[in-house]
Amino acid sequence: GENVEQHPSTLSVQEGDSAVIKCTYSDSASNYFPWYKQELGKRPQLIIDIRSNVGEKKDQRIAVTLNKTAKHFSLHITETQPEDSAVYFCAAKNQAGTALIFGKGTTLSVSS
Amino acid sequence: GAVVSQHPSWVICKSGTSVKIECRSLDFQATTMFWYRQFPKQSLMLMATSNEGSKATYEQGVEKDKFLINHASLTLSTLTVTSAHPEDSSFYICSARDTPASGNGYTFGSGTRLTVV
Repeated sequence: GENVEQHPSTLSVQEGDSAVIKCTYSDSASNYFPWYKQELGKRPQLIIDIRSNVGEKKDQRIAVTLNKTAKHFSLHITETQPEDSAVYFCAAKNQAGTALIFGKGTTLSVSS
Repeated sequence: GAVVSQHPSWVICKSGTSVKIECRSLDFQATTMFWYRQFPKQSLMLMATSNEGSKATYEQGVEKDKFLINHASLTLSTLTVTSAHPEDSSFYICSARDTPASGNGYTFGSGTRLTVV
């Protein structure tokens, strides 16, 4: 089935710096790649997503890039703020094309 | 926007007892819902796909007789943890597609923190 690898597992940056989190997926048929932010004890919140027919999508300080050939996609956060500190998960739709399969997560810490 | 309500938000039960968790789509119909389990500091692991009116599809390694899933209506799926043990203590989250099959929206419930003592 689908396998999603995510790196790094932890990331510490200074406020104002950029943060990049990378994911790879195994199923070349996957066509939807969302990124979620999860705060402790809460549900994942969708922050941005991308479909396989585009290579990049941006929403203010957040952007996602997709390389279908290499089967990897990345989350870019610019001008980081302390409130960006959380666990971020990438995901891809599974082989059956229904459920999301998640990466192992990245704990982002932004220090002021 | 689409809302998925999950109850209870937390539950403590004794070993050997069963616990039922409900997941409701409030403003849309969900023919398919998904159940995930998340251990502390780990990722969301897909347990099963719940299909309205038919049997659930379980992921490899998930015991279907232990984690009973019922999806009797287009707005309600339930997960029952039977004969719970301390190792079943975890955060359980449901999810539903909030758009037609051609869309890609997924909405998550608020999760249920299960503690088995």
